Amino acid sequence: SAVISQKPSRDICQRGTSLTIQCQVDSQVTMMFWYRQQPGQSLTLIATANQGSEATYESGFVIDKFPISRPNLTFSTLTVSNMSPEDSSIYLCSVEDGESGSSSGANVLTFGAGSRLTVL
Amino acid sequence: GQNIDQPTEMTATEGAIVQINCTYQTSGFNGLFWYQQHAGEAPTFLSYNVLDGLEEKGRFSSFLSRSKGYSYLLLKELQMKDSASYLCAVRDRNYQLIWGAGTKLIIKP
Repeated sequence: SAVISQKPSRDICQRGTSLTIQCQVDSQVTMMFWYRQQPGQSLTLIATANQGSEATYESGFVIDKFPISRPNLTFSTLTVSNMSPEDSSIYLCSVEDGESGSSSGANVLTFGAGSRLTVL
Repeated sequence: GQNIDQPTEMTATEGAIVQINCTYQTSGFNGLFWYQQHAGEAPTFLSYNVLDGLEEKGRFSSFLSRSKGYSYLLLKELQMKDSASYLCAVRDRNYQLIWGAGTKLIIKP
């Protein structure tokens, strides 16, 4: 299955600053997904990053707040801009891994280890 | 709206069996997933159901009833390493993944 390297693993940030999270995959993938996981809550999809086109954002998330880059088929970044304490969360990147799900016919998601952000 | 319900927390004893339930109300259905997430780590895939019935994979089994909007994950011969959160997720008619908040399973010796 795909191996995803995500960094930073954690950071403490000041209000009003921005932080960029990087995600590197060991194989070429068409789509990369960025999720947020707040304590005790479900995974929430922020956006889908496609190589060569603008990211597709879910309801409630906007490009100005969460700009995404996708320069090639193995790499993406998510920036959390002008952070506030409400942005404190775990941010995860993921890809659909046909290899790990092929025996069941499912498009299984493989996740990076996550980036735990704390905004003071 | 779309909704996935699962218990917030469950406790079980090492060596025993535990069943984690998941009920869903979604716009259409294109498969149900269970993921395991240890504290501080990424979710990892456990099982997938798209047809009614039981899927068995070693100590873990997952059941689906589409007519009832219901699934469960059954864990047998519990080990301490099974202490984790278990996430239920459903693909709707648009192939969007809808996630439950997860069930934190605590295993006691």
